[in-house]
Order: sequence, then structure tokens, then C-alpha cells
Amino acid sequence: GQQLNQSPQSMFIQEGEDVSMNCTSSSIFNTWLWYKQEPGEGPVLLIALYKAGELTSNGRLTAQFGITRKDSFLNISASIPSDVGIYFCAGRPDSGTYKYIFGTGTRLKVLA
Amino acid sequence: GAVVSQHPSWVICKSGTSVKIECRSLDFQATTMFWYRQFPKQSLMLMATSNEGSKATYEQGVEKDKFLINHASLTLSTLTVTSAHPEDSSFYICSARDGTGINYGYTFGSGTRLTVV
Repeated sequence: GQQLNQSPQSMFIQEGEDVSMNCTSSSIFNTWLWYKQEPGEGPVLLIALYKAGELTSNGRLTAQFGITRKDSFLNISASIPSDVGIYFCAGRPDSGTYKYIFGTGTRLKVLA
Repeated sequence: GAVVSQHPSWVICKSGTSVKIECRSLDFQATTMFWYRQFPKQSLMLMATSNEGSKATYEQGVEKDKFLINHASLTLSTLTVTSAHPEDSSFYICSARDGTGINYGYTFGSGTRLTVV
């Protein structure tokens, strides 16, 4: 199936550092979602973006819908140990489908 | 907020047997549910889209006769893995779309880890 390119694949950072990750596609999306998944659990929605250029925050998390509609970014400020997990972007194609395509994931580890 | 319950959370079965996984939307009506499969350290791959009262739409490469999906009500969809084999061992996750159309952030169940021995 189709996937979005997400980078970086993994990150090891020190507690307190900021984190940035992005998701890119060759085609246009009209909705971007960012999820966090912990081991053995289903993904949990962090932020939803509906318009090109939109910048939305959820606590220490900030995500942006790229103006080209082909990318999205997620930033985590002042990381803490509980930020550990896998972060997935998900995009909804502009074709009117209700299906979401998932990114390849960014595995985040925070060193205390 | 929207809650999706998935059951069982894990199951071990013998090769050749069938396993049913349930996905329920607890506080909203889910006109559409999605079934994903996730192999270790990989992303979620969409298997099929399940619409209440109609046949499921399967993604390319997913065997519809092997992965039977039933969406008989607005709050329940089931995935049955028939004649399971070790290669079917995976993490299966459902998600549901709020039928009101306002919430585009689909809610996921907690997943079912299937191990076929």
C-alpha cells in the first residue's frame, strides 16, 4: 500500500531538547493527522490539520500543514521521558476518500 | 471523547483455525471503520474499509476470503482471520470515523496481537 515518507526514522535525544520531524508526499493531501503510538497500543491522535498553512498546538506539540499541501511538520518542545514512542503522520488524499495513508513513523527515544 | 474498544487485545491460535476480532465504537456511531495491520517496527497498512450495511472495500493485495469483515451495525465491525497461518501473525488495529463528519481525527482501538502457532 501507499505510504508517506517520514523523517527521521528514529531519534535519540536528551531530555529537554526540542524535536522536529516531517512527513512528505508526492501528492496533495487535504487533511493531516499526527499520532503517537506506544508499544502494544493503538495510535492516539495528537493534532489534526485541515488547511494549508495551518499551525496548531497541543501543549508542547506544534504541527503545521505545509503550504504546498504535500508535507507536514511536527515539533515537540522541551522533550520529557514520556514522549518516548513512535510518531506517525497520516494524510487524507484530495480525492475525496475517507481513507488515511500513514507515514513510515519516527521512533523517538528520550534520554533522561 | 470518542472511544473505540477492540477485543481481544491478544490471541494465540493454532494454524488452520479462525479468529474473530471485534471493534466497537462506544459513544458514537461509526458509519465507517478501517482495519489495519502492523508488522513489528513497521507502519500501519490499511487492509480494508468497512461501511455499515454494505460490503467491505479491500486494499490491493488483501485477500477478502481470508480476512472477512462484517459491519452489521453502526457500532460494531468484526474482522475474522480464516484458516490462520503463522504469516498472519501481526498486530491488527481498527479505527472508526465519527458519522457526524465533524471529527476527521479517526479514533483507533487498542489493537489485537494475533499469534498463530
